[in-house]
Amino acid sequence: KAGVTQTPRYLIKTRGQQVTLSCSPISGHRSVSWYQQTPGQGLQFLFEYFSETQRNKGNFPGRFSGRQFSNSRSEMNVSTLELGDSALYLCASSLATFGGNTEAFFGQGTRLTVV
Amino acid sequence: GQSLEQPSEVTAVEGAIVQINCTYQTSGFYGLSWYQQHDGGAPTFLSYNGLDGLEETGRFSSFLSRSDSYGYLLLQELQMKDSASYFCAVLDDKIIFGKGTRLHILP
Repeated sequence: KAGVTQTPRYLIKTRGQQVTLSCSPISGHRSVSWYQQTPGQGLQFLFEYFSETQRNKGNFPGRFSGRQFSNSRSEMNVSTLELGDSALYLCASSLATFGGNTEAFFGQGTRLTVV
Repeated sequence: GQSLEQPSEVTAVEGAIVQINCTYQTSGFYGLSWYQQHDGGAPTFLSYNGLDGLEETGRFSSFLSRSDSYGYLLLQELQMKDSASYFCAVLDDKIIFGKGTRLHILP
């Protein structure tokens, strides 16, 4: 079956602009989580969506937002981009059966560069 | 707050055994997972421990002690292809990742 698909793979934006990233999860997975990865900081949790509802949110400013559609596809938006937003943005899908083994399947990520 | 601590870098020799430790402090806890990420690649799932003890999957084993809030990943018979970053991750009501351990393997 198809894996997690993120588009675009690479993006260059100017400071102050806004950007939208897309993630299509594995078929049948209803949970989509977003992470920001920067060198030395690991994967920092942004938010998780389940059945079109934001279920959890990390410690990021309100400029970072997301949504999930009825087909489980998710988008994240970053407004008023700052240089520090340059990072690899990873999307992970899972069956979301927390309480047991919840394996997350990651996409290849979107490399965002803010100049 | 919530935190996961793991060494930033570990170096080992091809064919040897290496252990990557992880200690955690989180508000909730269902289990501990480990992920591998090669340069330029996506993280991939390696193992999960929901109960105390050792789980073995081929050359990789993972251990958990819930009372000590501690776990480790053990890699045996190291191969050059094992050079990657390894992340421990706590399953709470979301998956929280550590900052990762970069494993360098010397020939």
